[in-house]
Amino acid sequence: KNEVEQSPQNLTAQEGEFITINCSYSVGISALHWLQQHPGGGIVSLFMLSSGKKKHGRLIATINIQEKHSSLHITASHPRDSAVYICAVVASGSRLTFGEGTQLTVNP
Amino acid sequence: NAGVTQTPKFQVLKTGQSMTLQCAQDMNHEYMSWYRQDPGMGLRLIHYSVGAGITDQGEVPNGYNVSRSTTEDFPLRLLSAAPSQTSVYFCASSQDSYGYTFGSGTRLTVV
Repeated sequence: KNEVEQSPQNLTAQEGEFITINCSYSVGISALHWLQQHPGGGIVSLFMLSSGKKKHGRLIATINIQEKHSSLHITASHPRDSAVYICAVVASGSRLTFGEGTQLTVNP
Repeated sequence: NAGVTQTPKFQVLKTGQSMTLQCAQDMNHEYMSWYRQDPGMGLRLIHYSVGAGITDQGEVPNGYNVSRSTTEDFPLRLLSAAPSQTSVYFCASSQDSYGYTFGSGTRLTVV
């Protein structure tokens, strides 16, 4: 079993829908990152969380340390949101452990 | 622009050839790391460094060497390329657990 599990693996939505991607982890962490990767592109850091909730534009990320769970929400989704979203945790030192990613496709 | 610069973006090697993937950052970050990304497996840590002169192995270090002679540079060397090393490679840097910056990636094919 991976230390970081994401769900769903694949997600298809219609433009305008509210989207949730989940991340569960099994180890103690100091921080959790949500990353975005567009097809053929590099990796961009969206959020770093150690507690609570953060919001940036249409993106919201939450974390529950006690339940070892984080969610990434996208409100009013748009085709440009189509990408792979990756959850990564910092469990020891500065080393990242990654989930396998969620492929999001938003259709117009 | 500040960030992590990776070169080359694409590379094709023959089995047995050696090469170096370059990674440089200008943010004075202490922590640098190399990852490979394969379909269905996510990103996996190859090697990392917590500062100049200090390196350590990650999950999948076999077939790769690294060195960290300066804070800015963290090259990844493939000693004798194998088809199993066909992958997309990412370098990243961070000052601590916060604010990771990734390079744009190197797509390597070993034939």
